[in-house]
Amino acid sequence: KQEVTQIPAALSVPEGENLVLNCSFTDSAIYNLQWFRQDPGKGLTSLLLIQSSQREQTSGRLNASLDKSSGRSTLYIAASQPGDSATYLCAVNAGNNRKLIWGLGTSLAVNP
Amino acid sequence: GAVVSQHPSWVICKSGTSVKIECRSLDFQATTMFWYRQFPKQSLMLMATSNEGSKATYEQGVEKDKFLINHASLTLSTLTVTSAHPEDSSFYICSARDEGYGYTFGSGTRLTVV
Repeated sequence: KQEVTQIPAALSVPEGENLVLNCSFTDSAIYNLQWFRQDPGKGLTSLLLIQSSQREQTSGRLNASLDKSSGRSTLYIAASQPGDSATYLCAVNAGNNRKLIWGLGTSLAVNP
Repeated sequence: GAVVSQHPSWVICKSGTSVKIECRSLDFQATTMFWYRQFPKQSLMLMATSNEGSKATYEQGVEKDKFLINHASLTLSTLTVTSAHPEDSSFYICSARDEGYGYTFGSGTRLTVV
């Protein structure tokens, strides 16, 4: 059974820091992995989608890597800003039924 | 691309009434849509998978007669909370999958039953 874990559960950093959010999964047979952002009381915004054949994806200050063999993905945020404060969720698409398996998220606070 | 529109964004209803939430894929066709529920400070909980032209698939513990799902077209799925009660108050989010963009989510609906 696929399980997704996100570490840390919460993170508070000063503005400008580079930071790394971690996501691990137990079954390496995945179709793809997706990082999302959720602001309080809002829906989810897709940040990056990594297909199983890819090693990383970049969008602006965000870079996500995928290491299927070790069951890990990291989301790197460069030069963090207060507007980056949100909950970041990692989800694995692990089967033909296309259901997402979710981590519990990392709550990020970037302080001015 | 891959935009999902969800309406309403919030709704307050009286106990015993029914509420319908719409989820539309605006620029792509979605044969499958997903309905989630989220309680405060908790992760998303998948309620059901909505299949265009056929019956929805409900997750264990989700009452299909309580949460009616209709997916009559390739761009629209609806969730109707029937005979709503205060314990149904929650944040409901729909999602659809696009091959190129992965899963895209609606903005969510905050339901409050009084």
